[in-house]
Amino acid sequence: LAKTTQPISMDSYEGQEVNITCSHNNIATNDYITWYQQFPSQGPRFIIQGYKTKVTNEVASLFIPADRKSSTLSLPRVSLSDTAVYYCLVGSGGYNKLIFGAGTRLAVHP
Amino acid sequence: DTAVSQTPKYLVTQMGNDKSIKCEQNLGHDTMYWYKQDSKKFLKIMFSYNNKELIINETVPNRFSPKSPDKAHLNLHINSLELGDSAVYFCASSHLTQEKNTEAFFGQGTRLTVV
Repeated sequence: LAKTTQPISMDSYEGQEVNITCSHNNIATNDYITWYQQFPSQGPRFIIQGYKTKVTNEVASLFIPADRKSSTLSLPRVSLSDTAVYYCLVGSGGYNKLIFGAGTRLAVHP
Repeated sequence: DTAVSQTPKYLVTQMGNDKSIKCEQNLGHDTMYWYKQDSKKFLKIMFSYNNKELIINETVPNRFSPKSPDKAHLNLHINSLELGDSAVYFCASSHLTQEKNTEAFFGQGTRLTVV
């Protein structure tokens, strides 16, 4: 399974756009890139998933370059409630064995 | 209605005791999981059941025994509890596909404290 590397922490202010980049140099051809969000005292929550190029939903956008060795989660106009840990996961189907790394702890300040 | 529910939410017990954590999902998923999140916040998979069959069994002490009476339930029984078992345990569920990782839905977690 491809290993991922993310910044340990990031700080932002309300209303700013936040971009969290994840490196996955050993991503396999069949692997998808998935991001989860975890608030304190809650379980992780699926945010977005993509294979290549750009994916957008009501919560975030995911940018994946052509070589797929990295990806960037973009959160538009963050608010205090976006303070959480964000995990980047890489994998394919089968047993759906989700491998969580250390994640990125995002702190949004007023 | 809660999609994935775990009970209890908090569990404080003494070393050596045996305890169980229950999990139920009402999403119609065919696969359920147990994850452990330790004090350093690392989230690690322990077990997974697909249609009541064990499909993932990570390196977990034999004191931990999952049981899946049906597709909607996956319980975790822990024998002879140790201090190091203190953690937050998350139950999750999803569908399985061969194509890609599917969205997993997590419960609120059970904070186990062994004293």
